Amino acid sequence: AQSVTQLGSHVSVSEGALVLLRCNYSSSVPPYLFWYVQYPNQGLQLLLKYTSAATLVKGINGFEAEFKKSETSFHLTKPSAHMSDAAEYFCAVSDQNQGGKLIFGQGTELSVKP
Amino acid sequence: KAGVTQTPRYLIKTRGQQVTLSCSPISGHRSVSWYQQTPGQGLQFLFEYFSETQRNKGNFPGRFSGRQFSNSRSEMNVSTLELGDSALYLCASSFRQGGAYEQYFGPGTRLTVT
Repeated sequence: AQSVTQLGSHVSVSEGALVLLRCNYSSSVPPYLFWYVQYPNQGLQLLLKYTSAATLVKGINGFEAEFKKSETSFHLTKPSAHMSDAAEYFCAVSDQNQGGKLIFGQGTELSVKP
Repeated sequence: KAGVTQTPRYLIKTRGQQVTLSCSPISGHRSVSWYQQTPGQGLQFLFEYFSETQRNKGNFPGRFSGRQFSNSRSEMNVSTLELGDSALYLCASSFRQGGAYEQYFGPGTRLTVT
């Protein structure tokens, strides 16, 4: 069975600092991996996805993530945090047999201090 | 293109009642998935419909059901509501790109059961 673990339910960074949100997955078949962001009282917005092409994936708003098969990880990074990045971030996994079914991690709430 | 729309946005029901939530996908998307989001359990997959057929199902009791119409609009129904059904219900429509189904979420329906 697939699963996703996000390390750290809360992460706090200063404005301008590096953002690193950790995600580890478990999958018996090659996975598709996603990062979503959720702002208060809103749905989820897709930041980026990995679908077995390039291992370094660039997304919207300056975010990127690197797929590391040996570490079963897909950590999300952004070189310089902005106040508007404060939100909850979710890592999710699916595979070619799952269609439109995503398994989500528990989420990481990112706070950005001025 | 217009995004995913969900109606109603907010709903208050009493235990034992039943409720129907509606989701209109992005034009051209044939897959619609439903998720339940709660503070305790996080984001959990309910079911997915593709071309009017349920393609995937999560681990929810039979009180939770859904359907999809020929225009890809989808509804989910919860019968005999329990207090624990209070949650944000998210709908996502998707299309297949690069092997993976890229999901786009609506704003959700906030259901409160009293």
